Formats: sequence, C-alpha cells, structure tokens
Amino acid sequence: AQSVTQLGSHVSVSEGALVLLRCNYSSSVPPYLFWYVQYPNQGLQLLLKYTSAATLVKGINGFEAEFKKSETSFHLTKPSAHMSDAAEYFCAVRGGSTSYGKLTFGQGTILTVHP
Amino acid sequence: DTAVSQTPKYLVTQMGNDKSIKCEQNLGHDTMYWYKQDSKKFLKIMFSYNNKELIINETVPNRFSPKSPDKAHLNLHINSLELGDSAVYFCASSQGGSNTEAFFGQGTRLTVV
Repeated sequence: AQSVTQLGSHVSVSEGALVLLRCNYSSSVPPYLFWYVQYPNQGLQLLLKYTSAATLVKGINGFEAEFKKSETSFHLTKPSAHMSDAAEYFCAVRGGSTSYGKLTFGQGTILTVHP
Repeated sequence: DTAVSQTPKYLVTQMGNDKSIKCEQNLGHDTMYWYKQDSKKFLKIMFSYNNKELIINETVPNRFSPKSPDKAHLNLHINSLELGDSAVYFCASSQGGSNTEAFFGQGTRLTVV
C-alpha cells in the first residue's frame, strides 16, 4: 500500500523567496511520484514526475523536485516565488502494476505568495 | 480541443434526486478514473476503468454507478443523492503504466441541498 504525507497544510513566502513544499511517501514497491498544482476552481495540472530515471526532476514553471530514497522524500522547490505560483499543491504516489494506475494523494499544501 | 472534459461543471440538486456526470477524453488513453475531492480538498480515487472494464472500486456506496460505453467515455451516475455527496468530482485518464501521469478534467462541483 502507498501513502503520502505533505508536511504543512499552508506555506507562505514572499515574492522572490525560495519555495519549499515537503512530501514524504510510503511505498512497498519502487514508487512513481508526482506533483500536481490546482488553481482555484480548476482541475489538477501536472508539475513534474519521478519515474526512476534522474533523481532531480525539473518541471514546468521553474519547479523541481529531488527524489531521496533514504529519506523517502520528494520535496518540491522553486528558487524564486512568483505571485502566480499561489495555488494548492498535491504530491501523489503510484505503486506498481497491481495499483492499476491509481494515484494516492497527500493532503495538499496551500502556497500563499506575498508581494 | 480539451483533453479531458466533464459536464456539467456545476450541479446543484436536492436530496434524493438522481444525477449523472459525463466525462470524455480525446487523448487515446485506455484507462479512466473518477476521483472525489471533499470539502477539505482531500482527493481520493473512486473508480478506475481500463478498456471499458472496471478495475478499481474503492468501497464506494452502491448509489454510485460508473459506466464506460467506450474507452473514451466514463460517466458517473449517482442515485438518491445525500448531503454528504457534495464534493468536487474529477475525471482523469492515463495511458496505462505506472510511470505515466494522469490528466484531469476541470471537475464537477456537486452541491446537494
């Protein structure tokens, strides 16, 4: 079984500051990990994914995440926050073939960006 | 040319009614899903279909019945709606394989009054 924990339901940063959103996972098989972003009243958009190739994954809008197996983490970072980054972010894990593609999501982290 | 489209976007209905939400994907994917997002924004899978066959049913009440007429469509019918069914329902699709991402629709906000 898989599970995801996102530490911090709310993160607030100033424009131009570093963004760090934390995600820890639990999986009995090598995981595939995803970060999605949800803007108000919209669906989920994929930011990036880890699929066992490079441990440092670059995504859209300047975001990146590093897979650390020893820490079972997949934290999302962006060097410099922009006002348009304000949204809710979801980390998700997908297990092996028996999961039939099912995504297990974390609780979400709301990112607020102050001018 | 929306990849995954759901209708309607908003649905307000009274308790006890029956309603349907439709979903279509034009990505050629063979797997489709329904997820429920509750009032606390928590997302949980409800159903998954692969090539029109039900492969995941996550202990959802029998009042919820998915139907997949073909692999591009996955509809959700809900009988005898209850207040607790109020949520945002997302349709998604993916091209099989654990390393492929799911593409989500815009969601249907269901409000039961």
